[in-house]
Amino acid sequence: SQKIEQNSEALNIQEGKTATLTCNYTNYSPAYLQWYRQDPGRGPVFLLLIRENEKEKRKERLKVTFDTTLKQSLFHITASQPADSATYLCALVNYGQNFVFGPGTRLSVLP
Amino acid sequence: ETGVTQSPTHLIKTRGQQVTLRCSSQSGHNTVSWYQQALGQGPQFIFQYYREEENGRGNFPPRFSGLQFPNYSSELNVNALELDDSALYLCASSLGTGVVETQYFGPGTRLLVL
Repeated sequence: SQKIEQNSEALNIQEGKTATLTCNYTNYSPAYLQWYRQDPGRGPVFLLLIRENEKEKRKERLKVTFDTTLKQSLFHITASQPADSATYLCALVNYGQNFVFGPGTRLSVLP
Repeated sequence: ETGVTQSPTHLIKTRGQQVTLRCSSQSGHNTVSWYQQALGQGPQFIFQYYREEENGRGNFPPRFSGLQFPNYSSELNVNALELDDSALYLCASSLGTGVVETQYFGPGTRLLVL
């Protein structure tokens, strides 16, 4: 069956460290994968997109990798800050289909 | 802010009732997708509307229906509400259809079914 999993429900890290979040999928062949940030009571906000033929994308303190052999994406936040505390969602899109979201990982950056 | 608005922000209904949720898409966007997000879970795709026609549907029963208007705003209707329909309902707007790379979410409508 098709499944998207994110490494853990919650992740606590110390301010200044790098947060690494994992998204694994089975029985999908995504055209691309996205990462979103969601704050409590708000809609998700788009952060980064990576296509199936790309290995890595960067945007300021954010970095995403995509390994279609391992069927995994890693999302890194370097020099993390308390303001980075939120739930992070991965979403993948198969060709001709719509977005499928993972369950999310709640990140807490401790001062 | 994304420019996508939803109303109402919160709603309480009882089992068996019907509800209509509304979404105004971002200026210039002609596609609206609706999602249901239960507490602690990721959004689940309900359906998408493109130029006033349904353009894809997730695994939701027929009592979930929708409309898109000529100005590309949209409604989600849910009939015969069940307790499990309690969730955050999100709409997202985008431009075009097919492999849409970016969509912009509204703040959501929190529905509680008692």
